[in-house]
Amino acid sequence: DADVTQTPRNRITKTGKRIMLECSQTKGHDRMYWYRQDPGLGLRLIYYSFDVKDINKGEISDGYSVSRQAQAKFSLSLESAIPNQTALYFCATSGGTDNTEAFFGQGTRLTVV
Amino acid sequence: AQSVAQPEDQVNVAEGNPLTVKCTYSVSGNPYLFWYVQYPNRGLQFLLKYITGDNLVKGSYGFEAEFNKSQTSFHLKKPSALVSDSALYFCAVRFSGGYNKLIFGAGTRLAVHP
Repeated sequence: DADVTQTPRNRITKTGKRIMLECSQTKGHDRMYWYRQDPGLGLRLIYYSFDVKDINKGEISDGYSVSRQAQAKFSLSLESAIPNQTALYFCATSGGTDNTEAFFGQGTRLTVV
Repeated sequence: AQSVAQPEDQVNVAEGNPLTVKCTYSVSGNPYLFWYVQYPNRGLQFLLKYITGDNLVKGSYGFEAEFNKSQTSFHLKKPSALVSDSALYFCAVRFSGGYNKLIFGAGTRLAVHP
């Protein structure tokens, strides 16, 4: 089983709909992240969380919200999806120090029509 | 502003030849540098990292990278490319005291031709 699991893997939704992307991890890490990947832009940080009580905005948080339901679960919501939120979304986790690498889920491909 | 640059959108190399994928960074603190690889329809996989010490670091699949502080670079290298190395490569940097945020370059697509 994957250490970082994202559901769903693919989703097509209509403009204005609310959608939730879920992430769970079995690595026991405190730190969790949500990124979006767009061609030519690399990965950009949406939100990150250092523990259940700590949520922080990343560089592109507008239009998104998150919930850290437990140490192992971190969900991303689009309250009212719009077409420019069409992207590949990644959840990641990392250990408790700055010098540890991040571990990524397989990604969720979201299309907003 | 802290940033990472990958100046080449694509690198083409013949199988068996050495490859280099370039990365430079702009930093206001001590950087921790990472390389990740993304195969089609897959998540990002960690290749290697520089934290401190020897400027040449070795990683997975025969890849290595050289940290150059004066040039603020962290180029990825492999002595002999394989067709199976064809993928999208990302350089990333985390800054000490930067709340653990990982900043990515735009990515470089490596194409290894038989």
